[in-house]
Amino acid sequence: DAGVIQSPRHEVTEMGQEVTLRCKPISGHNSLFWYRQTMMRGLELLIYFNNNVPIDDSGMPEDRFSAKMPNASFSTLKIQPSEPRDSAVYFCASSINSIHEQFFGPGTRLTVL
Amino acid sequence: ELKVEQNPLFLSMQEGKNYTIYCNYSTTSDRLYWYRQDPGKSLESLFVLLSNGAVKQEGRLMASLDTKARLSTLHITAAVHDLSATYFCAVDRPENTDKLIFGTGTRLQVFP
Repeated sequence: DAGVIQSPRHEVTEMGQEVTLRCKPISGHNSLFWYRQTMMRGLELLIYFNNNVPIDDSGMPEDRFSAKMPNASFSTLKIQPSEPRDSAVYFCASSINSIHEQFFGPGTRLTVL
Repeated sequence: ELKVEQNPLFLSMQEGKNYTIYCNYSTTSDRLYWYRQDPGKSLESLFVLLSNGAVKQEGRLMASLDTKARLSTLHITAAVHDLSATYFCAVDRPENTDKLIFGTGTRLQVFP
């Protein structure tokens, strides 16, 4: 199994631009999580999906952030417009409901100038 | 609200020494997870502890869970430089078991 796949691995953009991060979970996993990690705030859960349905988006910082999961093998996290304070590493993780052990992707390092 | 606390936050230890990292959590939970993160890398699952009294060992690392005390420990035996990383514990929320609550992490540095 290839594990959780994220793209791009690195993204550098200018303030005000739209950014889209992508994630492919492990096949057969039915929960998908988006996290953000910074030195100041540590690891934060932004949103998670179960069977493609958003269950808890209370961690999404503001309306500039949105996430979708159109099918079991793909999810996106979009930031529009981006701001310098959004600079962070964004991780996607997936798990099977019965076990809850989460497997993390390699992350996307986002820099907003 | 479930809170997960780790201590110490930073640990600098000499090769060959033993030490324990502690993970305390504030409400009932039967499942606990340990992860490792190398600098600039992703989180890697180390241990899954699914019941009171569970003990798991991998190489120089051993994890245990005491659900009555709401405490998990990660014991390091005869540390080596390759163990230098940040270690996170995470706990299932009892009312919402899809979601894990992560501790702040313990940054471990092993020096010669």
